[in-house]
Amino acid sequence: GQQVMQIPQYQHVQEGEDFTTYCNSSTTLSNIQWYKQRPGGHPVFLIQLVKSGEVKKQKRLTFQFGEAKKNSSLHITATQTTDVGTYFCAFRAGAQKLVFGQGTRLTINP
Amino acid sequence: SQTIHQWPATLVQPVGSPLSLECTVEGTSNPNLYWYRQAAGRGLQLLFYSVGIGQISSEVPQNLSASRPQDRQFILSSKKLLLSDSGFYLCAWSAGTYEQYFGPGTRLTVT
Repeated sequence: GQQVMQIPQYQHVQEGEDFTTYCNSSTTLSNIQWYKQRPGGHPVFLIQLVKSGEVKKQKRLTFQFGEAKKNSSLHITATQTTDVGTYFCAFRAGAQKLVFGQGTRLTINP
Repeated sequence: SQTIHQWPATLVQPVGSPLSLECTVEGTSNPNLYWYRQAAGRGLQLLFYSVGIGQISSEVPQNLSASRPQDRQFILSSKKLLLSDSGFYLCAWSAGTYEQYFGPGTRLTVT
């Protein structure tokens, strides 16, 4: 079935460095959602993108949806220790379901 | 505001024993409800979802089953647990086709 590939699988950065995770699909997506899961916690919804080329910002986080609606990225500027966790992208497959990527696990050296 | 509850938080069960995990949502009506399983360090695997009372869609054939006896109650069950059933079980709800909100999860260890 339809899937998305997230890269990288793991990323370790020094506090203050930037971080980017990518979500790629071979087919056009109707929308893309991003979630964050802190270690030991549950996924928390961050944002949804629906328009081609859409860019949204939440403080130090910048989310982008590609022009062809086949890829998306999440960029964190100047990481902080509170950014530690796994970031998942997800897309709507059918009327009621979400399909999640495998996630990018971010660890930060303080 | 809406809240989602899951219990128990952790569970250790022997192989072959039954399982019942419960999820309830407050503050909304007719939510879509979902059960996911997450293996350690892995992504989210959708197990079941429900768009209404008594309506269950199964995504992965296995020894688990789900039921929705009430509008805001979703139950995950098994008659006989396998070692491979160990994992982090997450319940989630959504209002139609929008974002999903997850419960705190149940960590199941099958020994």
